[in-house]
Amino acid sequence: AQSVAQPEDQVNVAEGNPLTVKCTYSVSGNPYLFWYVQYPNRGLQFLLKYITGDNLVKGSYGFEAEFNKSQTSFHLKKPSALVSDSALYFCAVRAQNTGTASKLTFGTGTRLQVTL
Amino acid sequence: DTAVSQTPKYLVTQMGNDKSIKCEQNLGHDTMYWYKQDSKKFLKIMFSYNNKELIINETVPNRFSPKSPDKAHLNLHINSLELGDSAVYFCASSRFRTSGNEQFFGPGTRLTVL
Repeated sequence: AQSVAQPEDQVNVAEGNPLTVKCTYSVSGNPYLFWYVQYPNRGLQFLLKYITGDNLVKGSYGFEAEFNKSQTSFHLKKPSALVSDSALYFCAVRAQNTGTASKLTFGTGTRLQVTL
Repeated sequence: DTAVSQTPKYLVTQMGNDKSIKCEQNLGHDTMYWYKQDSKKFLKIMFSYNNKELIINETVPNRFSPKSPDKAHLNLHINSLELGDSAVYFCASSRFRTSGNEQFFGPGTRLTVL
């Protein structure tokens, strides 16, 4: 069975500082990996994904994530945090070549709090 | 233009009632999903349809019945509502056949069972 771990319930960072939100995964075979963001009382918004190729993936709003196969990790990063980045972030995984529908498994979410 | 829309946005009802939530997408996707997000923000898939065919049916009580009249619509009917059904229900859609296809989510329906 596939799974995602987001070890931090909350990450606090000062505006202007770099941020990292951690994600590790477990899946049979190669993964598709995703990051989504959820603002209060809103649906999830897609940020970025890893399919294959370059391990560093760039996404929306200046976010990027690095795929590390040996560590089974897909940490979300941003060089300079903004107060407006404060939200709930979800990592998700799906196995490639499953032969079935796109069943995503989500992590438990990490709340990012950016302060002035 | 709203990509994935859900109605209603809020639903407050009594235990034992039957209610429906509707979802529509105008993205031309062929796969749609229902997710449940509980009070701790944990997100779990419930159902998925591809071209009106049920392809994912997770361990969900029989009181929950999805229905897809066409590729652009996926409704969720809930019978005999219970307190534990209170949650936010999200609809999503994607392209099934595209590798690494991301899902697009609706704004959610907050269901409160009293």
